[in-house]
Amino acid sequence: LAKTTQPISMDSYEGQEVNITCSHNNIATNDYITWYQQFPSQGPRFIIQGYKTKVTNEVASLFIPADRKSSTLSLPRVSLSDTAVYYCLVGLGISGGYNKLIFGAGTRLAVHP
Amino acid sequence: DTAVSQTPKYLVTQMGNDKSIKCEQNLGHDTMYWYKQDSKKFLKIMFSYNNKELIINETVPNRFSPKSPDKAHLNLHINSLELGDSAVYFCASSQQGNKDEQYFGPGTRLTVT
Repeated sequence: LAKTTQPISMDSYEGQEVNITCSHNNIATNDYITWYQQFPSQGPRFIIQGYKTKVTNEVASLFIPADRKSSTLSLPRVSLSDTAVYYCLVGLGISGGYNKLIFGAGTRLAVHP
Repeated sequence: DTAVSQTPKYLVTQMGNDKSIKCEQNLGHDTMYWYKQDSKKFLKIMFSYNNKELIINETVPNRFSPKSPDKAHLNLHINSLELGDSAVYFCASSQQGNKDEQYFGPGTRLTVT
């Protein structure tokens, strides 16, 4: 399984764009890159998933360079409610044909007024 | 409309007791999971069931026994509770074939004294 490395924590201010980069040097050809968000006392929530180039949805954008050894989650104009832990996951971790999510330590984002 | 629900939300018990945590999903998903999040916030998968059949069983003490009466429910029974079992337990579900998008419940905080 591809290992991911992300910053332990980040700080930002309301209205700013936040970019969280994740390194995954050993990513395999079949691996997708997935990001989850977890608020305190809640379960993780799927944010976005991509394979290459750029993916955008109503919440975030995901940028993946051609070599796919890293990816960047971009949160536009963050608000206080974006304060959470963000997890980067790579690899399906397939066991018996089914998906097995492998969570790392995540990045703790703190948004300040 | 709760997608994935767990009961109880909090559970405080003494060492040696047996307890159960219930999980239900109303999303019509085929696959359900149990995760454990320890004090360091690492999320680790414990079990996964697809259509009531066990498909993922990580290295978990056999004191933990999942039970799936139907594909909408996956309960977790824990025998002879130990201090190290204290953690937050999350249930999740996903649709087979939908790569890493899992829907998590609110979690059950288990405290063993």
